[in-house]
Amino acid sequence: DARVTQTPRHKVTEMGQEVTMRCQPILGHNTVFWYRQTMMQGLELLAYFRNRAPLDDSGMPKDRFSAEMPDATLATLKIQPSEPRDSAVYFCASGLYGTGLSGNTIYFGEGSWLTVV
Amino acid sequence: GENVEQHPSTLSVQEGDSAVIKCTYSDSASNYFPWYKQELGKGPQLIIDIRSNVGEKKDQRIAVTLNKTAKHFSLHITETQPEDSAVYFCAAPTNAGKSTFGDGTTLTVKP
Repeated sequence: DARVTQTPRHKVTEMGQEVTMRCQPILGHNTVFWYRQTMMQGLELLAYFRNRAPLDDSGMPKDRFSAEMPDATLATLKIQPSEPRDSAVYFCASGLYGTGLSGNTIYFGEGSWLTVV
Repeated sequence: GENVEQHPSTLSVQEGDSAVIKCTYSDSASNYFPWYKQELGKGPQLIIDIRSNVGEKKDQRIAVTLNKTAKHFSLHITETQPEDSAVYFCAAPTNAGKSTFGDGTTLTVKP
């Protein structure tokens, strides 16, 4: 079964520390999304990429967050320095865009559960 | 950008009853409307979707209806079971493939 893989699944860190979350999208997918979810409600779009190029990162706090795709099999979301308000679940999702009627379905990973103390 | 509104935010039904969740969207160019189910501790999973060239789609106990003129679509779950309890999200991706989600509906099915 093809799936989106995220690491780490759980992370507890101290305020001020750097946090890096990694995502391996489904092989062949050309679009990768990062979402943040708090309190089991609301999927807030932070950023998304197409063919490794950032298309929209307007949902991401630029002063401390950064997102990159070093290659087609890896997407990263970094927080530096982390703050308690960053505590949330961070989801990566991938999809294949631009193939007519078969496009636009996206598939989620299991999330990275971040706690900043 | 696309604005997606979802109602209700919480829904409680008795086992065996039907549940309906509604979403409205703003971008008239949207042509694909998926529904996701998120169980506790897991990522959202696609359960059904509909494209703008049809008005209704069914898959066993779940169905989705679309009204493009009014720009709204709905998820219908019939004969609800306790395992249907979860958070449900709708989305209306833009033509650029940007997926913005509704705020979610927490469905509780009481045995």
